[in-house]
Amino acid sequence: AQRVTQPEKLLSVFKGAPVELKCNYSYSGSPELFWYVQYSRQRLQLLLRHISRESIKGFTADLNKGETSFHLKKPFAQEEDSAMYYCALQPFSGNTGKLIFGQGTTLQVKP
Amino acid sequence: EAGVAQSPRYKIIEKRQSVAFWCNPISGHATLYWYQQILGQGPKLLIQFQNNGVVDDSQLPKDRFSAERLKGVDSTLKIQPAKLEDSAVYLCASSSQRSYGYTFGSGTRLTVV
Repeated sequence: AQRVTQPEKLLSVFKGAPVELKCNYSYSGSPELFWYVQYSRQRLQLLLRHISRESIKGFTADLNKGETSFHLKKPFAQEEDSAMYYCALQPFSGNTGKLIFGQGTTLQVKP
Repeated sequence: EAGVAQSPRYKIIEKRQSVAFWCNPISGHATLYWYQQILGQGPKLLIQFQNNGVVDDSQLPKDRFSAERLKGVDSTLKIQPAKLEDSAVYLCASSSQRSYGYTFGSGTRLTVV
């Protein structure tokens, strides 16, 4: 079965602390993986995609096929990072195709 | 570029009534998606269109939900009759082969009472 699991509903850290949002997936093939973010009163938007291997707003995510994980990390959290974060899996390669989302993790960065 | 437009933003209806949502994707985006997001859960795909053809509607409750995308541009999603468990945010998104990632609309928050 294709599934994305985000084990933490809420992650609360202090400003300047490291952040790691966990994501595990279940899929037999080679999926594409994404992190989407939703800031307060804003639309759901793409944060980063594993195939790009880029850092966005200081966030990075490494695909670990052995552990079937795609954790999102940032060395020093900022208050503006407070938002809901969703990990998503796309079973098929290419730029179009359904996404399977995890349940989301709320990141709260305290001053 | 203009974003994905959705209307209405909010809708409250009684159970067994019908409701329709509208979506206008980004110009030139051939692929359009409708997702349902129940409170506390991640979005779940209801239906995917490629131009005006259906690619995936395996999770659409076809006894009460229907969707169409005439002329491969705008799309409407209808629920008839609505149930209490249909209370959710309905998200529309679009994507194209030329750029990666979806662009989501603001969503329609449906409350069935």
